Amino acid sequence: EAQVTQNPRYLITVTGKKLTVTCSQNMNHEYMSWYRQDPGLGLRQIYYSMNVEVTDKGDVPEGYKVSRKEKRNFPLILESPSPNQTSLYFCASSFYTGGQETQYFGPGTRLLVL
Amino acid sequence: DAKTTQPPSMDCAEGRAANLPCNHSTISGNEYVYWYRQIHSQGPQYIIHGLKNNETNEMASLIITEDRKSSTLILPHATLRDTAVYYCIVRVRDDKIIFGKGTRLHILP
Repeated sequence: EAQVTQNPRYLITVTGKKLTVTCSQNMNHEYMSWYRQDPGLGLRQIYYSMNVEVTDKGDVPEGYKVSRKEKRNFPLILESPSPNQTSLYFCASSFYTGGQETQYFGPGTRLLVL
Repeated sequence: DAKTTQPPSMDCAEGRAANLPCNHSTISGNEYVYWYRQIHSQGPQYIIHGLKNNETNEMASLIITEDRKSSTLILPHATLRDTAVYYCIVRVRDDKIIFGKGTRLHILP
């Protein structure tokens, strides 16, 4: 089954304790991205990756890192989490057909930073 | 900022067609119109997209006006499971997706 998976789905942590949220897709998509969703602010892009070893900042990259060592994985790293990073996070991957793009989203990771 | 304007909420009776409007008056020639929906706290789900022509798939139809300044997503026979926030997005390929506030669609039994 084609899917985007994220782990963990729920996480409670404390300020300053490094964490990684994994994202994996089994569709051989080149484009992957991370979003966060906060009440009243909608979905905002954190980082995206056009292909292996190619990453770029989205709208709200501060406090986050990403890596793309393999096509299928795109982990989101919070080196020193802070309470303002409490949010619902979504990973997405895209494919192109006939010059048009469609994105698939993961199920989300709900993060609480105390 | 999102390049689209949508009503914040709409109601539709179960079994009826739900017509969700979207204004994108500043759309440029190479931008596509995409529709996604998000059922409470789940990941957004792709519905349909188009450039100029009307499109139809198993989920919905997309009607784009001739001047491309607005579009309508049509769910032909709405069910309770279609209750969600619907996002209309315009973008070119490879550009970031900017989700606005969307339209919260309530399907009434």
